[in-house]
Amino acid sequence: DAGVIQSPRHEVTEMGQEVTLRCKPISGHDYLFWYRQTMMRGLELLIYFNNNVPIDDSGMPEDRFSAKMPNASFSTLKIQPSEPRDSAVYFCASRPGGGLMNTEAFFGQGTRLTVV
Amino acid sequence: GNSVTQMEGPVTLSEEAFLTINCTYTATGYPSLFWYVQYPGEGLQLLLKATKADDKGSNKGFEATYRKETTSFHLEKGSVQVSDSAVYFCALEYNQGGKLIFGQGTELSVKP
Repeated sequence: DAGVIQSPRHEVTEMGQEVTLRCKPISGHDYLFWYRQTMMRGLELLIYFNNNVPIDDSGMPEDRFSAKMPNASFSTLKIQPSEPRDSAVYFCASRPGGGLMNTEAFFGQGTRLTVV
Repeated sequence: GNSVTQMEGPVTLSEEAFLTINCTYTATGYPSLFWYVQYPGEGLQLLLKATKADDKGSNKGFEATYRKETTSFHLEKGSVQVSDSAVYFCALEYNQGGKLIFGQGTELSVKP
């Protein structure tokens, strides 16, 4: 398996534009997580899904952020409209189900978003 | 609530020095504890884990022991290498399932 695949790797956009980040989890994994990493706030969990259903979106900063998982092999994180303070590295991670304890989360390489 | 606190970085060491990165946690119940490592330009990778009190996780010369009495999970390595330069994250997973809570990360720089 190629691991968790995120696209694009880098995104530069102007303030006010819509941004869509994409993630393909590892096949067979039941859980998918979106994290945001900044120098100021570290690594923050934004939202996670179990079997394509959003379980906890309490980390989503505001209504400008939305995430979907239309099927087991694809998820998107959308920011509309984008703002400079959204600049960060966004990570997607997936992990197996069947007993959550003691299982490893696998991370993608991240999308570095810059909003100017 | 549940949280993880790590020692602040950056930590700069010479090659073959002894490494300790402190991690303490606050959690209800009996969490599992993890150390993840992030090399430059990459995502996080699991380094080691421990699932119950007094367990010792180990990998690649790194070790950490789950100390319930001090709510700690300090990362140690006896002799660091330049290739160990990375950011290290302590994390916990508590019983409610799925969520990993990360510390703020500690950057380690090893000089030749």
